[in-house]
Amino acid sequence: QVNLLQSGAALVKPGASVKLSCKASGYTFTDYYIHWVKQSHGKSLEWIGYINPNSGYTNYNEKFKSKATLTVDKSTNTAYMELSRLTSEDSATYYCTRSGLAYYFDYWGQGVMVTVSS
Amino acid sequence: DIQMTQSPPSLSASLGDKVTITCQASQNINKYIAWYQQKPGKAPRLLIRYTSTLESGTPSRFSGSGSGRDYSFSISNVESEDIASYYCLQYDNLWTFGGGTKLELK
Repeated sequence: QVNLLQSGAALVKPGASVKLSCKASGYTFTDYYIHWVKQSHGKSLEWIGYINPNSGYTNYNEKFKSKATLTVDKSTNTAYMELSRLTSEDSATYYCTRSGLAYYFDYWGQGVMVTVSS
Repeated sequence: DIQMTQSPPSLSASLGDKVTITCQASQNINKYIAWYQQKPGKAPRLLIRYTSTLESGTPSRFSGSGSGRDYSFSISNVESEDIASYYCLQYDNLWTFGGGTKLELK
């Protein structure tokens, strides 16, 4: 069964960086893009960007180009998102999700809450 | 960038009612719209893809329709387990979510 397991909640100081992980299982990791989605408390969902695990190619929402960096480790079927220069605006729940050739998001990770506070 | 305008932001319904949510895209999205259900503290769950194709496990009381820029999502005979937030997603050109609709019991 497909599973996307995300790392635990993070409390980080303003100005710092945080690296979130998303470990995939139950399918061929390189056959699906991995996307990251932000949900601020009580708000809607925002697409951050995606990475092709096979090639490492990335595509970002313009809004997050200077904020997020997506990488993968094919040896462990794990995708990562690093968020830099954190501010209170980055406090949110972040989800990883995948898309296949049809491009809609089918399976999702459980989400990880990032809190930026001194 | 494609914008998705979802309405209404909130909806109050009685059990057994039919409810409809709409999403309007800022341009033609060629039926590439999906609908998701999200319950508090949980990840979104895919219900419908490509406008009207029900995902495996989605009850038949859920439906979707539309074309061009205008799309709708309906729940006939609302059940208590349907109380949640719902989001549309366009995936024709990159990915954009609607603002969401919170469905509550009247």
